[in-house]
Amino acid sequence: GAVVSQHPSWVICKSGTSVKIECRSLDFQATTMFWYRQFPKQSLMLMATSNEGSKATYEQGVEKDKFLINHASLTLSTLTVTSAHPEDSSFYICSARLGASNQPQHFGDGTRLSIL
Amino acid sequence: QKEVEQDPGPLSVPEGAIVSLNCTYSNSAFQYFMWYRQYSRKGPELLMYTYSSGNKEDGRFTAQVDKSSKYISLFIRDSQPSDSATYLCARMNTGFQKLVFGTGTRLLVSP
Repeated sequence: GAVVSQHPSWVICKSGTSVKIECRSLDFQATTMFWYRQFPKQSLMLMATSNEGSKATYEQGVEKDKFLINHASLTLSTLTVTSAHPEDSSFYICSARLGASNQPQHFGDGTRLSIL
Repeated sequence: QKEVEQDPGPLSVPEGAIVSLNCTYSNSAFQYFMWYRQYSRKGPELLMYTYSSGNKEDGRFTAQVDKSSKYISLFIRDSQPSDSATYLCARMNTGFQKLVFGTGTRLLVSP
């Protein structure tokens, strides 16, 4: 149980385009989903917390207009990187939490984004 | 001082060895602790989830929490080459909202 699917797993696109990443909880309902960014050989840095049906809460330093998050259902959250530039190239990982807030987060397999 | 400190390694051991991975944390308000395993280019996979001080065992894995010294450990018995990965410790604060990760320790188990 507790499977989180992330799509696409790898995307390469030109500078200036927008990229959408999907995160789905396959066998449970996730009222809260999280988006992380990970640079090579570094740990995960939380970008934003997404609650179903409400606006995402962004961490300090994360541009909300740059990284648009939508959590329209209990099983799907999306992250859109708008007008992507080479410095946005990174590994983006989502996680979802079952029900109660003291439950652990389960992670997707990440999306490798490369902006040319 | 980082909230969660972890030696980045790499830690190299022969197959069959007992592995000890450690983390220290600075804020005594932390209540829940987790160990995740991350293979290269994959998302983290939950291994252990603990709340209280003491030991928790699951197969070859044992998680140990010492809240008095703010020290958490993960022991892997009979290590296998397939255990080669980066091990991330994480804590969750009392507000239950955010996970804070250590930098991860890279483990290499040689056949």
